This record gives sequence, structure tokens and C-alpha cells, in this order.
Amino acid sequence: QKEVEQNSGPLSVPEGAIASLNCTYSDRGSQSFFWYRQYSGKSPELIMFIYSNGDKEDGRFTAQLNKASQYVSLLIRDSQPSDSATYLCAVNGQGGSEKLVFGKGTKLTVNP
Amino acid sequence: DTGVSQDPRHKITKRGQNVTFRCDPISEHNRLYWYRQTLGQGPEFLTYFQNEAQLEKSRLLSDRFSAERPKGSFSTLEIQRTEQGDSAMYLCASSRGRAPYNEQFFGPGTRLTVL
Repeated sequence: QKEVEQNSGPLSVPEGAIASLNCTYSDRGSQSFFWYRQYSGKSPELIMFIYSNGDKEDGRFTAQLNKASQYVSLLIRDSQPSDSATYLCAVNGQGGSEKLVFGKGTKLTVNP
Repeated sequence: DTGVSQDPRHKITKRGQNVTFRCDPISEHNRLYWYRQTLGQGPEFLTYFQNEAQLEKSRLLSDRFSAERPKGSFSTLEIQRTEQGDSAMYLCASSRGRAPYNEQFFGPGTRLTVL
């Protein structure tokens, strides 16, 4: 089982819709969860992080964490064409490791 | 906050040559990370420094790879005797906090092509 799994997509939504991106992880001991946005040919950009169960909102973005289900999601409200990118889920490594373990990413396309 | 910088942005080399990349972290960040990313994959961890100490290394970091952070500021990643499989984007990140609260901020990356 891969440590961090994401649907590779592509996920296509119309402009103004809610985009829902999902991620599951295998290490029950994971404590921190990150969402990065990566435009084609660019480096990952941190957009959200969450440490506790529940929801965390920042502007149009909401991260949701359910540790019991080992599931983290990212909702993007009022999606814009500029949100079209690959979204990477990352989880802190096992045993207090400083590394982040990334999924392969989900490619999102927002259609005008 | 000037962000993480990396140099060069692109490097094309022939198989068997040595290459060196540089990373300058965000100034107040004492933690520095190297990752490698290939097409269609998420970044893969290579190594981690806290100040000048290299505290974690991935099994991906073969004997041909070496990283340094001599004064706890900038870092270099050297690949000796490059192979075509080394072609990838090499990403540097830095953070201020310790795990698990170590939000990592990436630089623009160095894209390596080995011919």
C-alpha cells in the first residue's frame, strides 16, 4: 500500500463550482497534513496545512481531516480557471521524521 | 521574505559528468530539505539539514549524491557521474518549525537533463 494516495484525475469542474480533492494515508501516526498547488513546470506552493481533526478554512479553500478514517480532503469553492493545476497532498513522515511524503497529485481543470 | 532560491534553474549535462546545485533558504529558516521530482510523480525526499547537521538521508541518496550545508545557511547538492535516470527536477525547501509543524516552502527548483 502506497503511503499517500490521491486520485490522479484529471478532475474537471466548471467555473464557480466546488472542486473536491481527496487523499488517504497509511500511517496512523501521521500528525500533519499539507496541500500544495503546482502549476505545470513550476514548483509546489503551500496552500493549506491542517493538524487537527475537523475543518480549516482559508478564503476559498477548506481542508478537512479525519484521522480515524486516515483521510484528508481539500475543497475549493467558487473555482476559477486560475485554480487549474496539480494538487499535491503531503503527510509528515513516520516516527517524527522531518520529511514529507507526497502523493502523486490530482490534476484539476476548471473550465470557463 | 525573499523566498527560497535555487541556482541554476536549468542544467543540461552529459552522462558521466558531475553537477552541483545550490539552494539558499528563507533567511530565518534553520531547516533545509532536498527533494527530487520526476514527471507525473510527487516530490520524493532526499535529505534534511538542521543548521549544518545532515540529520536524515533517504535510501534514494546513492553514493553518487552528496549534500552539504557548511555554515548552516546555503546548501549544495552534488551528483557525481550522472546517469540518465538522474534527470528530474531537484527541489529545495526550508522551514522554521520542527516536525510535525514544519510547513515547508519550496524554491523554484533546478531542472536537470542528462543526455
